[in-house]
Amino acid sequence: AQSVTQLDSQVPVFEEAPVELRCNYSSSVSVYLFWYVQYPNQGLQLLLKYLSGSTLVESINGFEAEFNKSQTSFHLRKPSVHISDTAEYFCAVRGTNKYIFGTGTRLKVLA
Amino acid sequence: NAGVTQTPKFRVLKTGQSMTLLCAQDMNHEYMYWYRQDPGMGLRLIHYSVGEGTTAKGEVPDGYNVSRLKKQNFLLGLESAAPSQTSVYFCASSYPAGDTRDTQYFGPGTRLTVL
Repeated sequence: AQSVTQLDSQVPVFEEAPVELRCNYSSSVSVYLFWYVQYPNQGLQLLLKYLSGSTLVESINGFEAEFNKSQTSFHLRKPSVHISDTAEYFCAVRGTNKYIFGTGTRLKVLA
Repeated sequence: NAGVTQTPKFRVLKTGQSMTLLCAQDMNHEYMYWYRQDPGMGLRLIHYSVGEGTTAKGEVPDGYNVSRLKKQNFLLGLESAAPSQTSVYFCASSYPAGDTRDTQYFGPGTRLTVL
């Protein structure tokens, strides 16, 4: 069965510092991976995704994630965070007909 | 293009009451999903549908029923609400797996409180 593990439930970081949100998955089939972001009182929005091709994928607002097949990871990184990045971040893997989500990581950016 | 919409946005029920949550999407997606979100538990799949007239159980289906009579609509019903069903409910839609446009589009959520 497929599963997703986000080990960090909360990550506090100072503004302009780098951040890494960790995601590990288990899957025995082709892997499609996603990161979604949820701002307070809103639904989830796609941040970036890996379907095939280059293992490094980027979002329009400076986040990037690297698909690492040997370590079964898809960690999310940003070299310099802003206050506006404060949100909850969910990693997900595509299963047959559905998606499996991790439990989320709450990123809090401190001034 | 409204994307995914949910009705209502908020609702308070008494134990034992019934209600229906409506989800509508205008992107012609085949797949639709209902999730519940509870603190510390992420998103848990309740039911999903891979096309008009089809439904399937997800991770936490007990106490809920669904219907997909039209491609653009996915209804979630609570026949006899219980306090354990207090949660935020999200609807989503997507293209099938393997489609290069593969991603889920989420509605804004319905906050349900059962007293």
